Amino acid sequence: EAGVAQSPRYKIIEKRQSVAFWCNPISGHATLYWYQQILGQGPKLLIQFQNNGVVDDSQLPKDRFSAERLKGVDSTLKIQPAKLEDSAVYLCASSLVGWTGATNEKLFFGSGTQLSVL
Amino acid sequence: AQKVTQAQTEISVVEKEDVTLDCVYETRDTTYYLFWYKQPPSGELVFLIRRNSFDEQNEISGRYSWNFQKSTSSFNFTITASQVVDSAVYFCALSGTGLTGANNLFFGTGTRLTVIP
Repeated sequence: EAGVAQSPRYKIIEKRQSVAFWCNPISGHATLYWYQQILGQGPKLLIQFQNNGVVDDSQLPKDRFSAERLKGVDSTLKIQPAKLEDSAVYLCASSLVGWTGATNEKLFFGSGTQLSVL
Repeated sequence: AQKVTQAQTEISVVEKEDVTLDCVYETRDTTYYLFWYKQPPSGELVFLIRRNSFDEQNEISGRYSWNFQKSTSSFNFTITASQVVDSAVYFCALSGTGLTGANNLFFGTGTRLTVIP
């Protein structure tokens, strides 16, 4: 079974530039998540999709970050303009069902995109 | 507010030693879930275990075991007879049953385990 695919693996940009990350979840997984992992910290949820609708984006810095999930499958996360503090690994994860109240399923993670903002 | 504390930043053990990774959590939810994930050098987080707040039975899976104690809000993870392949960063995580955050995992800062051959 194919896992969660992410690209690119690495990205280096200068501050104020734009950048986009792509994620393809496991086939059939309804829920998709984007996490930000700053060096030395645990991952922090940025946004959660259920199919193509947003379930939770309370921690997404909406003035510069945006995300979409076209047709409830692939997703892109964009940063525009980037700041130095955005340097982190951006992890995409998916789960089979997700938001069903009492069901807190395990998440399947991709290998992440490591972003360096200079 | 949800919070997970992993006080051990880094641990080094010699192969075949046992090692325990500590996890302490805070939550106001009466129903919640606790997780352990492993992050090897390749970067992806790998699910190890999920526990709900009503099940305090300890669990053993091969060389891995977990000790859940609600009285001390702890969910510790023990690796018996450690191996070099166990070297990774281990994250403890907590999720509640909030309206919009049913699967919002709150991660600790992780414990980097190095197993020396």
